[in-house]
Amino acid sequence: DIVMTQAPLSVSVTPGESASISCRSSKSLLHSNGITYVYWYLQKPGKSPQLLIYRMSNLASGVPDRFSGSGSETDFTLKISRVEAEDVGIYYCGQLLENPPTFGAGTKLELK
Amino acid sequence: EVQLVESGGGLVQPGRSMKLSCAASGFTFSNYGMAWVRQAPTKGLEWVATISYDGSSTYYRDSVKGRFTISRDNAKSTLYLQMNSLRSEDTATYYCTRAYNSGFDYWGQGVMVTVSS
Repeated sequence: DIVMTQAPLSVSVTPGESASISCRSSKSLLHSNGITYVYWYLQKPGKSPQLLIYRMSNLASGVPDRFSGSGSETDFTLKISRVEAEDVGIYYCGQLLENPPTFGAGTKLELK
Repeated sequence: EVQLVESGGGLVQPGRSMKLSCAASGFTFSNYGMAWVRQAPTKGLEWVATISYDGSSTYYRDSVKGRFTISRDNAKSTLYLQMNSLRSEDTATYYCTRAYNSGFDYWGQGVMVTVSS
């Protein structure tokens, strides 16, 4: 199985500042079709997860453009510009290159 | 508006069975693959099973193979998860998700399954 490793486990951010979350995969997530199958999800407190970023850098519908995704074949970054109170929660990276789909352990974002 | 509404959870004894349902609306259900993802209390996300848009292909995580069955009724826009021989480690909130090449793009509110004597 592909292992997804996130860092840090938690991050505390001042509202209005930016935050970055890292994710590393145990194998390349770049398919021969040129698509990198890494995804980012946010689970707000007491809520279901929601998709933020798909295929490494594409913003999901309705997601503010303060969120962005980037990376290489095995190292990925979610950046949140101008963090707001509504961004609090646990962020998960995940892969869909091959079965089984796997997720990172999550990064908890809190406000200072 | 896409909606996924799970039902059928609750408390069940080890070794017994339970069937979860997920009623979908707001999109053409028969055009999309669907999946179940679970989350044990205070833990992260764990994929359970996926079914193709027409039900012809199914995939399971190793720990549930032979015990769980994912199925769908496209006429009723409903996804199912039949869970047999339940174990304490199956205790989790189970989420129904739409599975598309853009990821698990919509999630239900989740249904809690507690396996305990």
